[in-house]
Amino acid sequence: GAGVSQSPSNKVTEKGKDVELRCDPISGHTALYWYRQSLGQGLEFLIYFQGNSAPDKSGLPSDRFSAERTGGSVSTLTIQRTQQEDSAVYLCASSFGAGATNTGELFFGEGSRLTVL
Amino acid sequence: AQTVTQSQPEMSVQEAETVTLSCTYDTSENNYYLFWYKQPPSRQMILVIRQEAYKQQNATENRFSVNFQKAAKSFSLKISDSQLGDTAMYFCAFRFYPSGTYKYIFGTGTRLKVLA
Repeated sequence: GAGVSQSPSNKVTEKGKDVELRCDPISGHTALYWYRQSLGQGLEFLIYFQGNSAPDKSGLPSDRFSAERTGGSVSTLTIQRTQQEDSAVYLCASSFGAGATNTGELFFGEGSRLTVL
Repeated sequence: AQTVTQSQPEMSVQEAETVTLSCTYDTSENNYYLFWYKQPPSRQMILVIRQEAYKQQNATENRFSVNFQKAAKSFSLKISDSQLGDTAMYFCAFRFYPSGTYKYIFGTGTRLKVLA
């Protein structure tokens, strides 16, 4: 499709297991963001990829969280040894990178709801 | 540090009435963008309206308009002729450009319910 695609839509896992969340951005978008949205909270920035530059990992809450972006397109967010406090909706967004085509709009996926039991 | 504050966790409005959602922000940046995003129960965030800080004219998009007060660092959203489909979480967001990266800061959201 033409939008940002995330999978899985919902994931239930047991404490201590690893999970992978996938994001497929809009074709041509060089910037990709991961956010975490906990119940009743705003969006917490996790990580930002821009083209081939080193990612901005400043929002990752612990070393259990990591993300990669292969070929400048699909991104995977990995959470190792999940904890109950990791339960949240993980949102991916993409946009054009720096330049005249960047009107500022972020295009979001529908998110992956993670529940850690 | 950049912050975005939405002081109204929940609001309700009668269908066809007008409602205003508040947003204030704090920054030392001079060039930035401000946005309102809507998140319906389906979870997908959708851009409602954007405002470039260097533009004095308030942005409008059909029934949605903003009141941008740069000196006061205020950016409120007015929804006219509210419709049931406007029921959603609304997030105010601020974008700036430090050190070659675009950063977005989001508020905690206002849950709007439009009543029939």
